[in-house]
Amino acid sequence: DTGVSQNPRHKITKRGQNVTFRCDPISEHNRLYWYRQTLGQGPEFLTYFQNEAQLEKSRLLSDRFSAERPKGSFSTLEIQRTEQGDSAMYLCASSHRADYNEQFFGPGTRLTVL
Amino acid sequence: AQSVTQLDSQVPVFEEAPVELRCNYSSSVSVYLFWYVQYPNQGLQLLLKYLSGSTLVKGINGFEAEFNKSQTSFHLRKPSVHISDTAEYFCAVSRTLHDMRFGAGTRLTVKP
Repeated sequence: DTGVSQNPRHKITKRGQNVTFRCDPISEHNRLYWYRQTLGQGPEFLTYFQNEAQLEKSRLLSDRFSAERPKGSFSTLEIQRTEQGDSAMYLCASSHRADYNEQFFGPGTRLTVL
Repeated sequence: AQSVTQLDSQVPVFEEAPVELRCNYSSSVSVYLFWYVQYPNQGLQLLLKYLSGSTLVKGINGFEAEFNKSQTSFHLRKPSVHISDTAEYFCAVSRTLHDMRFGAGTRLTVKP
């Protein structure tokens, strides 16, 4: 079963460090989305790509956050100078042009900033 | 901008009993509505969606939801729950299919 995969599954870092997460979408899914989920809350939209183009960014995505999808396949989300408030689950999802209605989610990367 | 309110943070229920998880949304324009389920240590999985047409939507695992435009609600129901339905359930609203807004979630606990 080749679903959406995310690596690493868990990341513990110290405040001020940079971290990078990777998302591999389902093959041939041209849209890829990033969400953040904090404890007791639902996922919050961060940004999405159609192929390699980043088409929308939420105001939640401060200038410390950057996302890329250079070849239209996998994507990376980098957080620079991490803060304790960045601790959350970072979710990736993808969807196919045949049915953008359904987003398929990965298991997430849990970030803990000490 | 659209938003979602899930009225119950936790719903305990006995096995084989019916359940309703409530969801209200606010939006000044037409929206698409979704219910997702999240099992422990797994990603979100789509249960069902309302795009247009019939207001009663049937999904996987015996769940259904009814879109009520006048009450701006999209409540999720199942006539008889199983232990395996224990999970977190999220209601979501979208105007453009990429800007999904999720509720805070309802934890359904099914007791034997």
